[in-house]
Amino acid sequence: AQSVTQLDSHVSVSEGTPVLLRCNYSSSYSPSLFWYVQHPNKGLQLLLKYTSAATLVKGINGFEAEFKKSETSFHLTKPSAHMSDAAEYFCVVSDRRGSQGNLIFGKGTKLSVKP
Amino acid sequence: GAGVSQSPRYKVAKRGQDVALRCDPISGHVSLFWYQQALGQGPEFLTYFQNEAQLDKSGLPSDRFFAERPEGSVSTLKIQRTQQEDSAVYLCASSDSRQRRDTKSYEQYFGPGTRLTVT
Repeated sequence: AQSVTQLDSHVSVSEGTPVLLRCNYSSSYSPSLFWYVQHPNKGLQLLLKYTSAATLVKGINGFEAEFKKSETSFHLTKPSAHMSDAAEYFCVVSDRRGSQGNLIFGKGTKLSVKP
Repeated sequence: GAGVSQSPRYKVAKRGQDVALRCDPISGHVSLFWYQQALGQGPEFLTYFQNEAQLDKSGLPSDRFFAERPEGSVSTLKIQRTQQEDSAVYLCASSDSRQRRDTKSYEQYFGPGTRLTVT
């Protein structure tokens, strides 16, 4: 079965410093992996996705993630945090069985950005 | 274009009442998913439609939960005899199944959710 583990429930950084949100996955086959962001009272927005092409994936708003099969990791990074990055971030794996494609979410990491 | 919309945005129900939550997917999207997000948790899969066919309902927590998509567009999630543990945000997402032919990714577009509070 597919699963993701987000290693930190809360990460706090100062504005302008790097962001690292950690995620490990478990999958019985080569997975599709995603990062979604959820701002308060707003819908989930896709940041980036990995689909077995390049292992370094670039997303919106300056975020990147690197797929490392040997470490079963898909950590999300950003070189310099902005106040608007404060939100909840979810690491997600796709459960693809036949025609099904539901998403399996981690528990989320709340990112706080201090001025 | 318009994204996924859900109504109502907020619903307060007394325990034992029935509720109906509506999802309008992006026009032309074949696949539609419902998720439940409890407070402080990530969303959890409830059920999946491809057009009007409900292909997977393995995530529905009990037989009080029922979903339908009779014309392959708008979907309704119904919860009968609501209980306090049903309090959560219910998210709807849609995707264009044509994406499955080029990669194995499923880009799902999420609505804002319906926050259900059962008192």
